[in-house]
Amino acid sequence: EPEVTQTPSHQVTQMGQEVILRCVPISNHLYFYWYRQILGQKVEFLVSFYNNEISEKSEIFDDQFSVERPDGSNFTLKIRSTKLEDSAMYFCASSGDGFDPQFFGPGTRLTVL
Amino acid sequence: GNSVTQMEGPVTLSEEAFLTINCTYTATGYPSLFWYVQYPGEGLQLLLKATKADDKGSNKGFEATYRKETTSFHLEKGSVQVSDSAVYFCALESGGSNYKLTFGKGTLLTVNP
Repeated sequence: EPEVTQTPSHQVTQMGQEVILRCVPISNHLYFYWYRQILGQKVEFLVSFYNNEISEKSEIFDDQFSVERPDGSNFTLKIRSTKLEDSAMYFCASSGDGFDPQFFGPGTRLTVL
Repeated sequence: GNSVTQMEGPVTLSEEAFLTINCTYTATGYPSLFWYVQYPGEGLQLLLKATKADDKGSNKGFEATYRKETTSFHLEKGSVQVSDSAVYFCALESGGSNYKLTFGKGTLLTVNP
C-alpha cells in the first residue's frame, strides 16, 4: 500500500541553525501539507502546497519557513534559523485532490537545543 | 474560526469494554469530519470520516455520527481490543479553506487485557 515517508525520524539541532525536513508524498497525489505538534498540544496546520505554489499558510509559517518540491517526488520544509519553540513533531501529508482524505507520514521529531 | 474540542485523556479501559471519545466542533459552513488514529511510532491514519449531517462513518468496529444539531462527532466502539491502544484525533475540514485540517488535542487510549 502506498504511504507517505519522512526523513529523518529525529533531528537534533542547535538554535539558529537551518534544518530541512524531507517528505516523499504518495506518487500520484497533487496536494501537500505540513503540520506540526508541539509536545502535549494540538496538531497545527502550517502550510498547504498545490501546483508548485503555496495555497495557504498559517500564522506560524513566517519568513523563517519555506517549502519546496525540488523534483517530482520530494516535498521539503526548511526552517532557516531554528528557535527553541520550533521543537515539535512535524508531519507531512498528501492527498489526491482536495476532497480526498489526507494521508500522513510518521513524522520527524525536531529538537532544538 | 474553526476549532475542535475532544475529550482529554488518558482513557484506560479493559478489553471488551465500550469506548466513547467525545468530540465537538465549531466551524463556519459545512465541514467534513474525521477521526485519525496514531499507533505508537507511526503516523496519523485515517480511521473514518463523514462529510454531511447525519452521515455515519465506520471502520474496524469504530463508528461516529455527524450531528449538526449538537455539533458533535463522538467516536464509539462496542468492544475494544488491546490492539486499539493508540492516540485518537478528531479533525474537521471546512470547505473553502484549501482543505487544511483543524485537529483536536488527541486522546490517548490504553486497553488492558
